Amino acid sequence: DTEVTQTPKHLVMGMTNKKSLKCEQHMGHRAMYWYKQKAKKPPELMFVYSYEKLSINESVPSRFSPECPNSSLLNLHLHALQPEDSALYLCASTPVGSSYNSPLHFGNGTRLTVT
Amino acid sequence: QQPVQSPQAVILREGEDAVINCSSSKALYSVHWYRQKHGEAPIFLMILLKGGEQKGHDKISASFNEKKQQSSLYLTASQLSYSGTYFCGTEKGAGNMLTFGGGTRLMVKP
Repeated sequence: DTEVTQTPKHLVMGMTNKKSLKCEQHMGHRAMYWYKQKAKKPPELMFVYSYEKLSINESVPSRFSPECPNSSLLNLHLHALQPEDSALYLCASTPVGSSYNSPLHFGNGTRLTVT
Repeated sequence: QQPVQSPQAVILREGEDAVINCSSSKALYSVHWYRQKHGEAPIFLMILLKGGEQKGHDKISASFNEKKQQSSLYLTASQLSYSGTYFCGTEKGAGNMLTFGGGTRLMVKP
């Protein structure tokens, strides 16, 4: 078990649906991350929230919308996704505001299938 | 720019040693190493910073040669539990975010 909790574990959605992924950590970490991972590929950074402010957006399409309601929670709102968006979505956190000299603590991910 | 890992895959017998390399064409500030088992989250192994240091944890150690912009992960006397995909992650500057290499799939057989 990890200390970063992601829900749901699995999600199937149609291209017209709106859904949200949720991530929670109670370690007092100050940065939270969304990564996308396709099968047999490395995690790709999507967004970073540092001290509850969006600090990095890696040119992610607007159909993905992140939200950080507080320092423990991170959401990823999904709308009008495409089948190629099907992937494992990983949330991670670090104790300080960046991953420099600070390990990423990953959640187990949400496996998303877009039909 | 994504760091390059080699080899892409390796199969070992229990007790054998392995080396996984990670290289970058850009100057590096730090290198992270993670292991991911199928269907699970990546697990942190170690971080190496500029200074050419070596680190070790049990029978897994790593080195970072900043002049060569390269890091190597050494697995000694491999155990079945070492199986998984190993990713290096590199940072080009303090505060920059990690870029992961393509991964090395390691399988340890009895």
